[in-house]
Amino acid sequence: DAGVIQSPRHEVTEMGQEVTLRCKPISGHDYLFWYRQTMMRGLELLIYFNNNVPIDDSGMPEDRFSAKMPNASFSTLKIQPSEPRDSAVYFCASRHTPLNTEAFFGQGTRLTVV
Amino acid sequence: GQNIDQPTEMTATEGAIVQINCTYQTSGFNGLFWYQQHAGEAPTFLSYNVLDGLEEKGRFSSFLSRSKGYSYLLLKELQMKDSASYLCAVRDKESSNYQLIWGAGTKLIIKP
Repeated sequence: DAGVIQSPRHEVTEMGQEVTLRCKPISGHDYLFWYRQTMMRGLELLIYFNNNVPIDDSGMPEDRFSAKMPNASFSTLKIQPSEPRDSAVYFCASRHTPLNTEAFFGQGTRLTVV
Repeated sequence: GQNIDQPTEMTATEGAIVQINCTYQTSGFNGLFWYQQHAGEAPTFLSYNVLDGLEEKGRFSSFLSRSKGYSYLLLKELQMKDSASYLCAVRDKESSNYQLIWGAGTKLIIKP
């Protein structure tokens, strides 16, 4: 398996533009997580899905953020409109159901909003 | 509440041993993970502890004391490639569906 695949790896956009981040989890994993990482706040959980259903989106900072998982092999995180404070590295991760299993992270998308 | 504390940064010498501590406060402890993250890369899994004691895996070992809310990651025979951030994460039964609470990470700098 190629692991968790995210695209794009880098995104530079202007304030006010829509940004869409994409993730393909590891096949067979039934949990998918979206994280944001910054120097100031560390790793923050934004939202996670179980069997394609959003379970907890309490970490989503504002209504400008939305996430979908239309099927077991694809998820998107959208920011509309984007703001400079959204600049961060966004990670997608997936894992199996058992609680003692680790999450596997994608390589992340480095987002810069200017 | 939930809280995880790790030192912000540590420095060690190549070939030596270093211990990175993690203390946590959770209302429903259900396991502790250590991850390694090199600069500009994704976190990768190192170890998992749910029972008290030491788990050894090659040059890396992880220890847990649930009564003390304490864990450490021990790295032996340090190599330059071990320079990275080390993240402690705790699973809490009281959080939404047992999700992980993450520490801020410890940046480990290895000097020749």
